[in-house]
Amino acid sequence: ETGVTQTPRHLVMGMTNKKSLKCEQHLGHNAMYWYKQSAKKPLELMFVYNFKEQTENNSVPSRFSPECPNSSHLFLHLHTLQPEDSALYLCASSQDTQASSYEQYFGPGTRLTVT
Amino acid sequence: GQNIDQPTEMTATEGAIVQINCTYQTSGFNGLFWYQQHAGEAPTFLSYNVLDGLEEKGRFSSFLSRSKGYSYLLLKELQMKDSASYLCAVSDSNYQLIWGAGTKLIIKP
Repeated sequence: ETGVTQTPRHLVMGMTNKKSLKCEQHLGHNAMYWYKQSAKKPLELMFVYNFKEQTENNSVPSRFSPECPNSSHLFLHLHTLQPEDSALYLCASSQDTQASSYEQYFGPGTRLTVT
Repeated sequence: GQNIDQPTEMTATEGAIVQINCTYQTSGFNGLFWYQQHAGEAPTFLSYNVLDGLEEKGRFSSFLSRSKGYSYLLLKELQMKDSASYLCAVSDSNYQLIWGAGTKLIIKP
């Protein structure tokens, strides 16, 4: 048990659907992250929040919309996705973003399939 | 550009030793991480190196040479449960993690 939970674990959606991914961390961390993991590719950082403020948006298409209502919860709202968006979406948290030694704790991920 | 290179796949025998290499080129360096990821599971933290040298933690050791932009993860007394992907990641000048694509390690009896 890593202290970071994600729901749903699996999601199949059509290109016209709207859905949301949820992440919750129980570790008292201040930073939360969304990553995309595709087969045989490096983890792609999508968004970073530190103390509820978005600090990174790595040129992510607007069809992905993050929301961080508090330091424990992070959402990723999805709409009009493309088949190439099918991937494992991982949430992570860390104590802070401004120190190199803070390891990130990952949730189990949401396996997303866009049809 | 920033780049992390590690082998795509390695095979080793139960009880043996395996070394997984990672080379990096990044804008700045604030440490290097190794994570383990079993199939269908979350990545979990293994080690962090910021100074040159070897860090030992049980059966796992991690080495760093900053001048060479090189690290390796050494796994001893391999067990079947060590079959997993091993991810190398470097913290750059903005403390952002740059990830390698991972090395899939297959352990054979």
